[in-house]
Formats: sequence, C-alpha cells, structure tokens
Amino acid sequence: SSELTQDPAVSVALGQTVRITCQGDSLRKYYASWYQQKPGQAPILVIYGKNNRPSGIPDRFSGSSSGNTASLTITGAQAEDEADYYCNSRDTSGNHRVFGGGTKLTVL
Amino acid sequence: QVQLQESGPGLVKPSETLSLTCTVSGGSISGYYWSWIRQPPGKGLEWIGYIYYSGSTNYNPSLRSRVTISVDTSKNQFSLKLSSVTAADTAVYYCARHIFCSSSFCNDAFDIWGQGTMVTVSP
Repeated sequence: SSELTQDPAVSVALGQTVRITCQGDSLRKYYASWYQQKPGQAPILVIYGKNNRPSGIPDRFSGSSSGNTASLTITGAQAEDEADYYCNSRDTSGNHRVFGGGTKLTVL
Repeated sequence: QVQLQESGPGLVKPSETLSLTCTVSGGSISGYYWSWIRQPPGKGLEWIGYIYYSGSTNYNPSLRSRVTISVDTSKNQFSLKLSSVTAADTAVYYCARHIFCSSSFCNDAFDIWGQGTMVTVSP
C-alpha cells in the first residue's frame, strides 16, 4: 500500500469541473506534484509546487493543498483530459519519493 | 530542449542483473538530479531512486539492497542496475529529470521523462 492515497476512478461530464485528491500525512509538510498518463505514453508533469504549471499545460489544470490532502482540479474538463493521474511527494520520513496509486479519470 | 532516452536489454533472466542506461540530449546532466521510475504492466508508478550529477544517491527503501544508480558525466548518461531480478521486476522503466528540493513546501517534481523501456524478466 502507498503512503499517498488516491481514489481509483473518477468521472466528469464534458465541460464540468473535477477534483482529484491525494491524501497522506507527508502532505502536511510537502507539496505534491501531479502527472497525467495516457495509455502507452510516458507520464507528463501537469502541476508542481504550490500551483505551478509547466509550459504547455493548459490553465484549466490547477493545484491546491489543505492539511493532509493535495488536490488537482480540472476546470472545464475536455475529452483529451481522459487519462490516469498520479500524485507524487515524500514518504513520511521525508527522505524518499512516493507515488499515489493513481486515479483513472473518465470524461463522459 | 532536453530529451531522455532509455536503453538496455528488453529481456532479463531471473536472478540476473537488470542494466539500463539513460542518455540525456539537448542539455547537460550537470547541475541536476536524475531519477529512475518503473511501472509494472497495468499498475501504478514506483520511484526507484535518484542520483545527483556529482554521484550522491538515494534509493527506495524497498529496493535499496538490490539497486545501484551511477552517473557518467562525460557521456551525459546515468544508469540503473537492479540485481537478483524476479518476475515482479517486469515493468516499463522510465528515467526522468528531477527538480529537487530538500526543504518543506517547495518545488520538487519530475519534469522531463524518457519514453520508457519495457523489461521482461523471464527464463
């Protein structure tokens, strides 16, 4: 089991807003980063730090954090956002990196 | 722009050592941290470990006894060795550039990834 917990699956209607969450004790002290992975492709970074988007990531992706929960929000989900999403942060020791189990996002 | 490319055998026998290399192009390996990450078929991502260009390393505790990550700055490459492999080590192996910070609430992420290479452990 992972030290970061994600819901296995989430769905959203096209154009609506969806929040994908990541829970873990280490998130009280460290930010999460978020990765999008489509079938057969390598993951890509979509959010890191407090709420930073790499170049080329649409502004409908945003990140936030409260207590032991980090969230990735997609405002106005598009069909191309259908993918697996993984969070990453530190383990409880703070010394190593750990991924959440991933959330499969379906856009209806 | 910086690109990463994994290379190495796609098939490794049980009990042997898996060896992969990541070649960094379009930029220097110096000044950065570099990670290996793997993904078993149909499963999630697992961080294996990172190396700083100077050679300092940090490994996933669950793999530490079997993992060695090294760097060759002259070739702009870093490498992974995983010993005593079993079928459970069958996975797509990714190398990634690691934006690293050690303090709380700062920017830490894997910003550039290789395309990944499938390694199967089988007799």
